[in-house]
Amino acid sequence: DIVMTQSPLSLAVTPGEPASISCRSSQSLLHSNGYTYFDWYLQRPGQSPQLLIYLGSNRASGVPDRFSGSGSGTDFTLRISRVEAEDVGLYYCMQALLTPHTFGQGTKLEIK
Amino acid sequence: EVQLVESGGGLVQPGGSLRLSCAASGFMFNNYWIHWVRQAPGNGLVWVARIKSDGTVINYADSVKGRFTISRDNAKNTVYLQMNSLRAEDTAVYYCARRAVAVVPGGMDVWGQGTTVTVSS
Repeated sequence: DIVMTQSPLSLAVTPGEPASISCRSSQSLLHSNGYTYFDWYLQRPGQSPQLLIYLGSNRASGVPDRFSGSGSGTDFTLRISRVEAEDVGLYYCMQALLTPHTFGQGTKLEIK
Repeated sequence: EVQLVESGGGLVQPGGSLRLSCAASGFMFNNYWIHWVRQAPGNGLVWVARIKSDGTVINYADSVKGRFTISRDNAKNTVYLQMNSLRAEDTAVYYCARRAVAVVPGGMDVWGQGTTVTVSS
């Protein structure tokens, strides 16, 4: 199975400041079709997960442009340019290249 | 409104069975893979199973293979997860989510609200 490793596992950010979460996969997520099967999800407290970023760097519909995804191969980063109170929750990376699809451990973002 | 609604969760004894349903509305159901993802209390997300839009491709996590069966009825816009031989470690909130079958792949962009399965004597 592909192992997804996130860091840090928690971070506290002052509103208006940037935040960054990293995710590393145990093997490349680049498919032969040229797409990289890597997503970011946010689970706000008490809610279902929601898609933030797909294919490594594509923002999902309705996601604010303060969220951006980058990376390739095995190393990926989610950046929030200016954290807002509504951004608190658990952030998960996930690979969809192979089954079983696998998630990272989750990164808990809190507001200072 | 585009939505997925899970149902069928509940309390069941170890060794028992449950069938979860995921009812879709507001979109072309037969254009989407449907996935099941679960979350044990206080834990992270774990992928469980998926089924292709036409039902021809099915995959499972090793932890449920041979015990769980995913199926779909495109006439009813519903996916099912039949869970047999349930164990305490299957206790979780079960979410269904859609993923588009498209030239450009997407993410799991619509999730249900989840249904809770508790396996306990």
